[in-house]
Amino acid sequence: EPEVTQTPSHQVTQMGQEVILRCVPISNHLYFYWYRQILGQKVEFLVSFYNNEISEKSEIFDDQFSVERPDGSNFTLKIRSTKLEDSAMYFCASSEGAWSYNEQFFGPGTRLTVL
Amino acid sequence: DQQVKQNSPSLSVQEGRISILNCDYTNSMFDYFLWYKKYPAEGPTFLISISSIKDKNEDGRFTVFLNKSAKHLSLHIVPSQPGDSAVYFCAARTIDQGAQKLVFGQGTRLTINP
Repeated sequence: EPEVTQTPSHQVTQMGQEVILRCVPISNHLYFYWYRQILGQKVEFLVSFYNNEISEKSEIFDDQFSVERPDGSNFTLKIRSTKLEDSAMYFCASSEGAWSYNEQFFGPGTRLTVL
Repeated sequence: DQQVKQNSPSLSVQEGRISILNCDYTNSMFDYFLWYKKYPAEGPTFLISISSIKDKNEDGRFTVFLNKSAKHLSLHIVPSQPGDSAVYFCAARTIDQGAQKLVFGQGTRLTINP
């Protein structure tokens, strides 16, 4: 069964450093997403991406964040200068389409720890 | 901004009995609702969904009920099995905001006791 994969599973970084979280969405999917879950809190939408453009982003997704699809398979989330409050579980997801009935499939997540 | 709320952080149920997980929402523009299940160290896994034009959707042991007037939905699992122990998230989408963004509740940790 096809699945979304994410690397690394755990990333530890110093405050102020740049991090890149990587995702490989399901191959025939066209829509890609990043969500995050701070420990003990709800899963929050960050950004959606389609046709090499951001289609929607939340207020969390400020100038420190960027997304890219550098090749035909990877989808990345970059945080330019990490802050302590960026520590969270980051989930990548993908879907075939944008309609409500198009289920979003989630990856296992990357745990980001900012020291 | 608590558009989707799951008021019970945890629920414990005997194996074989019915598990009922509840979810309330405030945004009347939501027109599609989903339940996701999450095990530790894994991402959320889609379980079942319901469109706002329906009031019930059933898939095997899982049934989701939607009461639009009360802005309330529930997930019934019957009979409950030990493998159902996980965190369950209610999520909602709206076409008005773009049919691409899921708004999640806080989750309910379900424990099935043998």
